[in-house]
Amino acid sequence: NAGVTQTPKFQVLKTGQSMTLQCAQDMNHEYMSWYRQDPGMGLRLIHYSVGAGITDQGEVPNGYNVSRSTTEDFPLRLLSAAPSQTSVYFCASRPPGQRIYEQYFGPGTRLTVT
Amino acid sequence: AQKVTQAQTEISVVEKEDVTLDCVYETRDTTYYLFWYKQPPSGELVFLIRRNSFDEQNEISGRYSWNFQKSTSSFNFTITASQVVDSAVYFCALSEGSGGGADGLTFGKGTHLIIQP
Repeated sequence: NAGVTQTPKFQVLKTGQSMTLQCAQDMNHEYMSWYRQDPGMGLRLIHYSVGAGITDQGEVPNGYNVSRSTTEDFPLRLLSAAPSQTSVYFCASRPPGQRIYEQYFGPGTRLTVT
Repeated sequence: AQKVTQAQTEISVVEKEDVTLDCVYETRDTTYYLFWYKQPPSGELVFLIRRNSFDEQNEISGRYSWNFQKSTSSFNFTITASQVVDSAVYFCALSEGSGGGADGLTFGKGTHLIIQP
């Protein structure tokens, strides 16, 4: 298993540009989520999904869109990038069910918006 | 609302010293889960431990130990005989169990641990 994969690893955008951060997992996990990590802020939840076709907002959803058309993929879209979205983005997944086991994190995408 | 507080922003100790990282949490749920993650300089998040709210038994794994006290809403992490490789940012996190935890984790702001040789 590759686990949780994220592409790209690094990205530089100009203000106003759009892009999609890719996240995929091959563990058949129903739950997937996106976090952003900013210096001194820890990780904050952007959006999450409990299964294909179902998404919901987390703590900091503004400026981001998500969709979940398959169990494996959970892309994060920035429609019009802003410097405030400069951050490290982590995708995570976890097994289904009520028992809370560890969340499996991807390696992260470092995004800079100039 | 759930909240995790890691009051220690940065800790610096000399190798072989013991060090404790504090974590205080807030939640209204009676069912919840607590986690510790390690983020080394390379940037990935490494899972260390998960503890549910019904299990207050302390845990030891090698040089690592965790002390969970519901009475003080704390889940502290101790490294015994620290090593330079322990240098990292450590995050404490909380997931409320009433919704199955689907809505993700609430993280503390992290403690940057520096182990000096």
